[in-house]
Amino acid sequence: KQEVTQIPAALSVPEGENLVLNCSFTDSAIYNLQWFRQDPGKGLTSLLLIQSSQREQTSGRLNASLDKSSGRSTLYIAASQPGDSATYLCAVRPGGTSYGKLTFGQGTILTVHP
Amino acid sequence: DGGITQSPKYLFRKEGQNVTLSCEQNLNHDAMYWYRQDPGQGLRLIYYSQIVNDFQKGDIAEGYSVSREKKESFPLTVTSAQKNPTAFYLCATNHFRGQETQYFGPGTRLLVL
Repeated sequence: KQEVTQIPAALSVPEGENLVLNCSFTDSAIYNLQWFRQDPGKGLTSLLLIQSSQREQTSGRLNASLDKSSGRSTLYIAASQPGDSATYLCAVRPGGTSYGKLTFGQGTILTVHP
Repeated sequence: DGGITQSPKYLFRKEGQNVTLSCEQNLNHDAMYWYRQDPGQGLRLIYYSQIVNDFQKGDIAEGYSVSREKKESFPLTVTSAQKNPTAFYLCATNHFRGQETQYFGPGTRLLVL
């Protein structure tokens, strides 16, 4: 059974700092990996999606990497801002016929203080 | 205005009562999903549907039921058999092609009176 773990559970940084969020998964037979952002009491917003054949994806100040063989992904946030404060979740979609059945990590709660 | 709508935003359930959460989408997506989120935990899959009139159990389907009579709608009923229903419920959709991300609704918070 796929298990997804995110470290750290919470992170507090001063504005302007570069930071890295970690995601690990136990079964490397994945179809893709996604990073989401969730604001308190809200739904999830997709940030980046990495296909299993890709090594990284970039969007603005965000960069996500994927090392499928070691079961790891990182989300790098450059020059953090208070508006980046949210919970960040990673999710993996398995390969094969388990279409769309994402397995989520527990999330990292990020606080960026001015 | 495209997207996913969930209603109500807050829902209160009395003991022994069945309640239904609504999820509607106008994205023309084939697949729809229901997740449950408990505090400090990730999302867990309750039910999913890839096409109209077909749906499959997820990891925690006990005490829940769904229907998919229309492509746009995927309502979730929390039955009295679900003994711990207090949670945040999220509906999601995506195209039936696999590569695209899932899009999420704003969620419904269910509380027990």
